[in-house]
This record gives sequence, structure tokens and C-alpha cells, in this order.
Amino acid sequence: GAGVSQSPSNKVTEKGKDVELRCDPISGHTALYWYRQSLGQGLEFLIYFQGNSAPDKSGLPSDRFSAERTGGSVSTLTIQRTQQEDSAVYLCASSLSQDTYEQYFGPGTRLTVT
Amino acid sequence: KQEVTQIPAALSVPEGENLVLNCSFTDSAIYNLQWFRQDPGKGLTSLLLIQSSQREQTSGRLNASLDKSSGRSTLYIAASQPGDSATYLCAVASYGGATNKLIFGTGTLLAVQP
Repeated sequence: GAGVSQSPSNKVTEKGKDVELRCDPISGHTALYWYRQSLGQGLEFLIYFQGNSAPDKSGLPSDRFSAERTGGSVSTLTIQRTQQEDSAVYLCASSLSQDTYEQYFGPGTRLTVT
Repeated sequence: KQEVTQIPAALSVPEGENLVLNCSFTDSAIYNLQWFRQDPGKGLTSLLLIQSSQREQTSGRLNASLDKSSGRSTLYIAASQPGDSATYLCAVASYGGATNKLIFGTGTLLAVQP
């Protein structure tokens, strides 16, 4: 079946603009995760969804970052007033549930803030 | 706080060699450990998932072992091929909190020379 998809694959934006990144998880997967991969920080957790609720937002770096999930499926990560340090690859993953299941990753969105 | 370390950071071997990649973690209270491969500019491909109750998993030429008590995992690649060249990441899902978010190591960059 289809894997995790993300859009856009690449996004270049000017400092101060808002951006939205989209993730479509594998159908039937209730758990959804956002991670960020940057040169200086490696791969780090941002936020976790179980269904439409986000019980763990501990990795969001500032209040400029927010995310939502609707219908237990698609998720959108929004970054307001982008800064150059937000440049990174944003990865989305989903799993069947949050317990012991394997996480499957999408191809990522490469965000460049100029 | 869980910390994950991978050794070596980079490895270059001639085609056909067997090789071992190492991963260590500081907190043995984990749900599972996953090994991923990442090709340049791409997302993560899951290679093997080892549950906390398991000692090893095998898939084709890959074998991963887990020793929770010592906080170590190894990924063994048999008869390496140039197509195995990639960055290999290990990640652990730890107990605690509302999620089994993955904590990643910094990766091993593998180059297999033809």
C-alpha cells in the first residue's frame, strides 16, 4: 500500500514568512510523529499525535511552531515568522499505534529560509 | 535523559567485507530499537525493529542484536555491496511520558568501495 507522503518536497521561503508542511500518514495508522533533521542538531522529535490529539508537544522549539491533525489522518506543521535557524528537513512518521510498533517515515520536506 | 551514540561516525570498506555498526544508549528502559538507512537527500528506510523482549532480528544480509542490560545494539552487514552505501541510524523508543518518540543516534556514514 501507499507509504507516508509529505508535501511540498522542497520549500524556499523568506525570513519572516509563514509556512505550512503537510503529512499524509499510512491509512489506519493512529500515531503520527514530526521530527526535524538539521546539520547542527541531528534528528530530533517535535510532536506526537494519537488520533487528533497531541499528548506530547515537548519537542516544539518555540511558540512559532504549531501542528494539527484532522480526521485522524492528515497533519499540518505550521511555522510562523520563519527564521534562518528553522532551515532543516522536516520528517513525518506514522505507526499503527503508539505502543511498540515500527515507525514508517515519509521522504521529508526540505525547508530553506533565506 | 536518553542519549544514543553510534560508532564509528564513518566507515569505508571494500566490497564483500562483513561489517559491524555499533549503537549504545544510556537508559535501558526502552520499548524497542530501530535501525534505519538514509540515502543522501532522502527520508528514512526502516531496516529492522527489535522489541525490548527480543535479542536479535534478521533480514536478508542484515542482523541486528540487542543487549538491553549493557545498553548496546549492533547491526551486522554480511557481504557488503556498493548499494549498501548510506548513512545508518539507530533509534530507541524509551519508556516515560505520553509517547514512544524515537531518540536517534548521530549515524554511521558507510561507503562500500567496488
